[in-house]
Amino acid sequence: AQKITQTQPGMFVQEKEAVTLDCTYDTSDQSYGLFWYKQPSSGEMIFLIYQGSYDEQNATEGRYSLNFQKARKSANLVISASQLGDSAMYFCAMRRMREYKLSFGAGTTVTVRA
Amino acid sequence: NAGVTQTPKFQVLKTGQSMTLQCAQDMNHNSMYWYRQDPGMGLRLIYYSASEGTTDKGEVPNGYNVSRLNKREFSLRLESAAPSQTSVYFCASSTQDRGLEQPQHFGDGTRLSIL
Repeated sequence: AQKITQTQPGMFVQEKEAVTLDCTYDTSDQSYGLFWYKQPSSGEMIFLIYQGSYDEQNATEGRYSLNFQKARKSANLVISASQLGDSAMYFCAMRRMREYKLSFGAGTTVTVRA
Repeated sequence: NAGVTQTPKFQVLKTGQSMTLQCAQDMNHNSMYWYRQDPGMGLRLIYYSASEGTTDKGEVPNGYNVSRLNKREFSLRLESAAPSQTSVYFCASSTQDRGLEQPQHFGDGTRLSIL
Protein backbone atom coordinates (compact mmCIF):
# COMPACT_ATOMS: atom_id res chain seq x y z
CA ALA A 1 0.00 0.00 0.00
CA GLN A 2 1.20 3.48 -0.75
CA LYS A 3 2.23 5.67 2.13
CA ILE A 4 2.05 9.42 2.46
CA THR A 5 4.28 11.08 5.04
CA GLN A 6 3.87 14.57 6.41
CA THR A 7 6.62 15.02 8.96
CA GLN A 8 5.56 18.40 10.36
CA PRO A 9 2.68 18.02 12.80
CA GLY A 10 2.48 21.77 13.38
CA MET A 11 3.99 24.98 12.06
CA PHE A 12 3.83 28.65 12.89
CA VAL A 13 4.24 31.31 10.22
CA GLN A 14 4.17 35.08 10.34
CA GLU A 15 1.49 36.84 8.33
CA LYS A 16 2.67 37.77 4.80
CA GLU A 17 5.51 35.25 4.89
CA ALA A 18 5.73 32.06 2.84
CA VAL A 19 5.48 28.60 4.34
CA THR A 20 6.42 25.20 2.91
CA LEU A 21 4.62 22.06 3.98
CA ASP A 22 6.45 18.82 3.37
CA CYS A 23 4.97 15.73 1.80
CA THR A 24 6.75 12.57 0.70
CA TYR A 25 5.11 9.55 -0.79
CA ASP A 26 5.99 5.98 -1.52
CA THR A 27 4.76 4.24 -4.63
CA SER A 28 6.24 2.08 -7.34
CA ASP A 29 3.65 3.29 -9.84
CA GLN A 30 4.63 5.60 -12.69
CA SER A 31 1.22 7.20 -13.07
CA TYR A 32 -0.36 8.87 -10.06
CA GLY A 33 -1.80 12.15 -8.88
CA LEU A 34 -1.02 14.23 -5.83
CA PHE A 35 -3.53 16.48 -4.11
CA TRP A 36 -3.48 18.98 -1.29
CA TYR A 37 -6.52 19.71 0.83
CA LYS A 38 -7.14 22.36 3.49
CA GLN A 39 -9.23 21.68 6.57
CA PRO A 40 -10.06 24.83 8.57
CA SER A 41 -11.29 24.64 12.14
CA SER A 42 -14.86 24.48 10.85
CA GLY A 43 -14.04 21.00 9.58
CA GLU A 44 -14.74 20.93 5.87
CA MET A 45 -12.19 19.60 3.38
CA ILE A 46 -11.25 22.07 0.67
CA PHE A 47 -9.36 20.99 -2.45
CA LEU A 48 -6.39 23.29 -3.13
CA ILE A 49 -4.11 21.99 -5.86
CA TYR A 50 -3.28 18.97 -8.01
CA GLN A 51 -0.04 17.65 -9.51
CA GLY A 52 0.13 14.75 -11.96
CA SER A 53 3.17 12.51 -12.01
CA TYR A 54 3.74 13.24 -15.69
CA ASP A 55 3.29 16.98 -15.40
CA GLU A 56 6.50 18.69 -16.41
CA GLN A 57 5.75 21.93 -14.63
CA ASN A 58 5.00 22.48 -10.98
CA ALA A 59 1.35 23.19 -10.35
CA THR A 60 0.29 26.64 -9.21
CA GLU A 61 -3.09 27.91 -8.05
CA GLY A 62 -3.14 31.48 -6.82
CA ARG A 63 -0.99 31.69 -3.68
CA TYR A 64 -0.52 27.92 -3.65
CA SER A 65 2.25 26.19 -5.54
CA LEU A 66 3.57 22.70 -5.49
CA ASN A 67 7.27 21.92 -5.42
CA PHE A 68 7.23 18.54 -7.14
CA GLN A 69 10.43 16.49 -7.12
CA LYS A 70 9.55 13.17 -8.68
CA ALA A 71 12.92 11.48 -8.16
CA ARG A 72 12.78 12.29 -4.47
CA LYS A 73 9.07 11.41 -4.30
CA SER A 74 8.20 14.69 -2.67
CA ALA A 75 5.35 17.11 -3.33
CA ASN A 76 5.73 20.06 -1.00
CA LEU A 77 3.05 22.72 -0.80
CA VAL A 78 4.17 26.34 -0.73
CA ILE A 79 1.77 28.99 0.51
CA SER A 80 2.99 32.46 -0.35
CA ALA A 81 2.04 35.69 1.46
CA SER A 82 0.31 33.87 4.32
CA GLN A 83 -2.96 35.23 5.61
CA LEU A 84 -4.72 34.69 8.91
CA GLY A 85 -7.34 32.68 7.03
CA ASP A 86 -4.67 30.18 6.03
CA SER A 87 -4.60 28.84 9.58
CA ALA A 88 -5.82 25.27 9.13
CA MET A 89 -4.76 21.68 8.82
CA TYR A 90 -3.34 20.71 5.45
CA PHE A 91 -3.42 17.21 4.02
CA CYS A 92 -1.38 15.71 1.24
CA ALA A 93 -3.04 12.84 -0.64
CA MET A 94 -2.24 10.54 -3.53
CA ARG A 95 -4.30 8.59 -6.02
CA ARG A 96 -2.88 5.92 -8.28
CA MET A 97 -4.07 5.28 -11.81
CA ARG A 98 -6.96 2.81 -11.99
CA GLU A 99 -7.64 3.29 -8.30
CA TYR A 100 -10.47 5.31 -6.93
CA LYS A 101 -9.37 6.02 -3.41
CA LEU A 102 -7.20 8.79 -2.05
CA SER A 103 -4.49 7.90 0.44
CA PHE A 104 -3.92 10.69 2.94
CA GLY A 105 -1.04 11.80 5.08
CA ALA A 106 -1.56 12.60 8.76
CA GLY A 107 -1.73 16.34 8.10
CA THR A 108 0.15 19.48 9.14
CA THR A 109 -1.44 22.20 11.25
CA VAL A 110 -0.49 25.70 10.17
CA THR A 111 -1.02 28.65 12.46
CA VAL A 112 -0.55 32.12 10.97
CA ARG A 113 0.46 34.81 13.44
CA ALA A 114 -0.43 38.49 12.98
CA ASN B 1 -24.91 24.90 -5.14
CA ALA B 2 -25.04 22.27 -2.37
CA GLY B 3 -22.27 19.90 -3.55
CA VAL B 4 -22.06 17.01 -1.06
CA THR B 5 -24.56 17.03 1.78
CA GLN B 6 -24.19 14.84 4.86
CA THR B 7 -26.73 14.24 7.58
CA PRO B 8 -26.65 14.38 10.51
CA LYS B 9 -23.82 16.74 11.43
CA PHE B 10 -23.54 15.43 14.98
CA GLN B 11 -24.70 12.27 16.68
CA VAL B 12 -24.17 10.55 20.00
CA LEU B 13 -24.88 6.83 20.24
CA LYS B 14 -24.68 4.20 22.91
CA THR B 15 -22.59 1.09 22.35
CA GLY B 16 -24.61 -1.46 20.41
CA GLN B 17 -27.00 0.99 18.79
CA SER B 18 -27.32 1.17 15.03
CA MET B 19 -27.29 4.21 12.83
CA THR B 20 -27.21 5.23 9.17
CA LEU B 21 -25.26 8.23 7.93
CA GLN B 22 -26.73 9.78 4.82
CA CYS B 23 -24.87 11.38 1.94
CA ALA B 24 -26.16 12.99 -1.24
CA GLN B 25 -24.39 14.81 -4.05
CA ASP B 26 -25.82 17.01 -6.76
CA MET B 27 -22.79 17.17 -9.06
CA ASN B 28 -23.75 14.15 -11.19
CA HIS B 29 -20.61 12.34 -10.03
CA ASN B 30 -20.17 8.66 -10.71
CA SER B 31 -18.08 7.76 -7.67
CA MET B 32 -18.77 8.21 -3.99
CA TYR B 33 -16.71 7.47 -0.88
CA TRP B 34 -16.90 7.21 2.88
CA TYR B 35 -13.86 8.14 4.98
CA ARG B 36 -13.24 8.38 8.67
CA GLN B 37 -10.89 10.89 10.24
CA ASP B 38 -9.13 10.16 13.49
CA PRO B 39 -6.51 12.35 15.21
CA GLY B 40 -3.00 11.88 13.82
CA MET B 41 -4.14 9.48 11.10
CA GLY B 42 -5.49 11.58 8.29
CA LEU B 43 -8.51 10.21 6.45
CA ARG B 44 -8.96 6.50 5.87
CA LEU B 45 -11.28 5.00 3.31
CA ILE B 46 -14.08 2.84 4.68
CA TYR B 47 -16.03 1.96 1.53
CA TYR B 48 -16.46 3.38 -1.90
CA SER B 49 -18.81 3.08 -4.84
CA ALA B 50 -17.12 3.49 -8.20
CA SER B 51 -20.45 3.76 -9.98
CA GLU B 52 -24.13 3.25 -9.31
CA GLY B 53 -24.76 -0.38 -8.44
CA THR B 54 -21.26 -1.19 -7.19
CA THR B 55 -19.61 -0.96 -3.78
CA ASP B 56 -16.17 -2.02 -2.58
CA LYS B 57 -14.28 -2.18 0.67
CA GLY B 58 -11.61 0.32 1.53
CA GLU B 59 -8.92 0.19 4.20
CA VAL B 60 -11.12 -0.01 7.30
CA PRO B 61 -14.49 -1.62 6.40
CA ASN B 62 -15.05 -3.75 9.50
CA GLY B 63 -18.19 -2.82 11.39
CA TYR B 64 -19.72 -0.88 8.51
CA ASN B 65 -22.05 -1.47 5.60
CA VAL B 66 -22.95 0.78 2.70
CA SER B 67 -25.72 1.21 0.19
CA ARG B 68 -25.54 3.08 -3.09
CA LEU B 69 -29.20 3.95 -3.29
CA ASN B 70 -28.97 5.73 -6.64
CA LYS B 71 -26.46 7.91 -8.45
CA ARG B 72 -26.91 10.74 -5.94
CA GLU B 73 -27.03 8.91 -2.61
CA PHE B 74 -24.57 6.74 -0.70
CA SER B 75 -25.30 5.75 2.89
CA LEU B 76 -23.08 4.30 5.61
CA ARG B 77 -24.54 2.05 8.28
CA LEU B 78 -23.16 1.07 11.66
CA GLU B 79 -25.06 -2.05 12.67
CA SER B 80 -23.78 -2.28 16.26
CA ALA B 81 -21.81 0.80 17.21
CA ALA B 82 -18.58 0.43 19.19
CA PRO B 83 -16.53 3.13 20.99
CA SER B 84 -13.73 2.54 18.44
CA GLN B 85 -16.05 3.95 15.79
CA THR B 86 -16.06 7.36 17.45
CA SER B 87 -14.75 9.55 14.66
CA VAL B 88 -15.53 12.22 12.11
CA TYR B 89 -17.04 10.69 8.99
CA PHE B 90 -16.71 12.29 5.60
CA CYS B 91 -18.56 11.50 2.43
CA ALA B 92 -16.96 12.48 -0.87
CA SER B 93 -17.75 12.24 -4.54
CA SER B 94 -15.84 12.54 -7.78
CA THR B 95 -16.11 11.99 -11.48
CA GLN B 96 -13.67 9.57 -13.03
CA ASP B 97 -14.44 10.59 -16.57
CA ARG B 98 -11.24 12.51 -17.13
CA GLY B 99 -8.68 10.58 -15.17
CA LEU B 100 -6.47 11.21 -12.20
CA GLU B 101 -6.78 14.96 -11.95
CA GLN B 102 -10.38 15.08 -10.83
CA PRO B 103 -10.46 15.91 -7.13
CA GLN B 104 -12.81 14.40 -4.64
CA HIS B 105 -15.35 16.82 -3.24
CA PHE B 106 -16.16 16.40 0.42
CA GLY B 107 -19.18 16.98 2.58
CA ASP B 108 -18.88 18.88 5.86
CA GLY B 109 -18.55 15.71 7.92
CA THR B 110 -20.51 13.95 10.65
CA ARG B 111 -19.10 13.97 14.17
CA LEU B 112 -20.08 10.67 15.75
CA SER B 113 -19.50 9.83 19.42
CA ILE B 114 -20.18 6.38 20.79
CA LEU B 115 -20.41 6.01 24.54
